[in-house]
Amino acid sequence: KNQVEQSPQSLIILEGKNCTLQCNYTVSPFSNLRWYKQDTGRGPVSLTIMTFSENTKSNGRYTATLDADTKQSSLHITASQLSDSASYICVVSPISSGSARQLTFGSGTQLTVLP
Amino acid sequence: NAGVTQTPKFQVLKTGQSMTLQCAQDMNHNSMYWYRQDPGMGLRLIYYSASEGTTDKGEVPNGYNVSRLNKREFSLRLESAAPSQTSVYFCASSRDIGGGALETQYFGPGTRLLVL
Repeated sequence: KNQVEQSPQSLIILEGKNCTLQCNYTVSPFSNLRWYKQDTGRGPVSLTIMTFSENTKSNGRYTATLDADTKQSSLHITASQLSDSASYICVVSPISSGSARQLTFGSGTQLTVLP
Repeated sequence: NAGVTQTPKFQVLKTGQSMTLQCAQDMNHNSMYWYRQDPGMGLRLIYYSASEGTTDKGEVPNGYNVSRLNKREFSLRLESAAPSQTSVYFCASSRDIGGGALETQYFGPGTRLLVL
C-alpha cells in the first residue's frame, strides 16, 4: 500500500530561525511530489511541485528537495515568520492515468513559530 | 474570482439525519473532488468527478453520494449521518484528472461536520 510518512509530527521554533521538515514515501512508480501549507481552519494551498527528475524547487523562503533514490523529500523554511505557523503536508502522485485521483497524503507536520 | 467555495462552514447533525454539502468552483476546471480530513490522518478521497457528467468512488465512499450538477458544482450528500462521519470535509478542483501531469488541486475552506 502506498504510504507517506512525515516527521516530526509537530515542531516549535522561534521567529527568524530555520527549520526542515521530512517526508518519506513508498509510492512506486512515482510521478511527482507536492508540498502543501494548511493554515488552521483553511484548505491546503500548494507550495511546491517536483517531478521525479527534479532535485530541488524553491518558492520564496520555502525550498523543497527530493531524493528519488531514497524516496525522501524535505521542506526547508528559511528565516521563519509568525505566518509560517501551519500544517505542512507532503503529497505524492503515482505514474498512472488519472493520477490526480490516486494522490497519497501525509498526515502533516504542525509547525508553530513563536515570537 | 473566489476559487473554490463550500457551504455550510459548520454543521451539527443528529445520527440518522441527512444533509448535502455544496461546492462550487469558478476556475473552469474539469475535475472535482471530495475529501475528508480526520485528526492524525492524511486527507482521504471520498468521491471524484473527472469531468462533467461523470463521478467515481474514491478510497472511502461508504455512506456518501455525490452529484456533479454542472461543470462548476459538485455536491456531497450524507443520507443517514453516523458519528463516524464527524470530520472536516474539503472540496477541491483541478484543471484535469491528470495522467502524470503536474495538476495542482485547489481546495475550498472546508466544512466542519459534527454528528451526535
